[in-house]
Amino acid sequence: EVRLVESGGGLVQPGGSLRLSCAASGFIVRNYFMSWVRQAPGKGLEWVSVIYSGGDTHTADSVKGRFTVSRDTSKNTLYLQMHSLRAEDTAVYYCVREERGVRGTFRFLSLWGQGTLVIVSS
Amino acid sequence: QSVVTQPPSVSAAPGQTVTISCSGSSSNIGNNYVSWYQQLPGTTPELLIYDDNKRPSGIPDRFSGSKSGTSATLGITGLQTGDEADYYCGTWDNSLSAVVFGGGTKLTVL
Repeated sequence: EVRLVESGGGLVQPGGSLRLSCAASGFIVRNYFMSWVRQAPGKGLEWVSVIYSGGDTHTADSVKGRFTVSRDTSKNTLYLQMHSLRAEDTAVYYCVREERGVRGTFRFLSLWGQGTLVIVSS
Repeated sequence: QSVVTQPPSVSAAPGQTVTISCSGSSSNIGNNYVSWYQQLPGTTPELLIYDDNKRPSGIPDRFSGSKSGTSATLGITGLQTGDEADYYCGTWDNSLSAVVFGGGTKLTVL
């Protein structure tokens, strides 16, 4: 079965750190562009970060310098390391598989995990 | 503020047709594919339309997508109470080099 399963969310104090994991099954993570998308309570979707199939990464300005996406190909798992967390980072974080065209053109998000909730509060 | 805008809410009666707009610019919708996602209450977003107007297998043909210039539209015919959800458009923005989403539209089936 093709699926994504996130873990690692929880309650963390402002300024703290957390690492989210996303275990993929049914496909090979390194063959795809993989993103993290978050959704604050009662709010819309916000793209956070992407790791390209070649290994390069790109991160939204709102979290640049604080969040880092990575992957472990031996475990077929995606990670999001989060530092200097702020109250506005409180959200459900989704691991998502992207579909790209032949020249890397973004097409759509084909597979979503169930999400993991991060709460930043003292 | 998102660079792609949607109406916050739409409503219609069961059996009727509704459209949800998604407005952007040449930096995003005008030169990139648009996709649509349905998020039922308390669940994960699910792909509804991709490549502007294609439906994944399993999505009924009551759902359709179209695009003209810098705007895209999601259409839903034969509305059912089970269609009540939040709907998001998504695309790529060339200036931001990022995936961008509309703010989401809450559909109420009266």
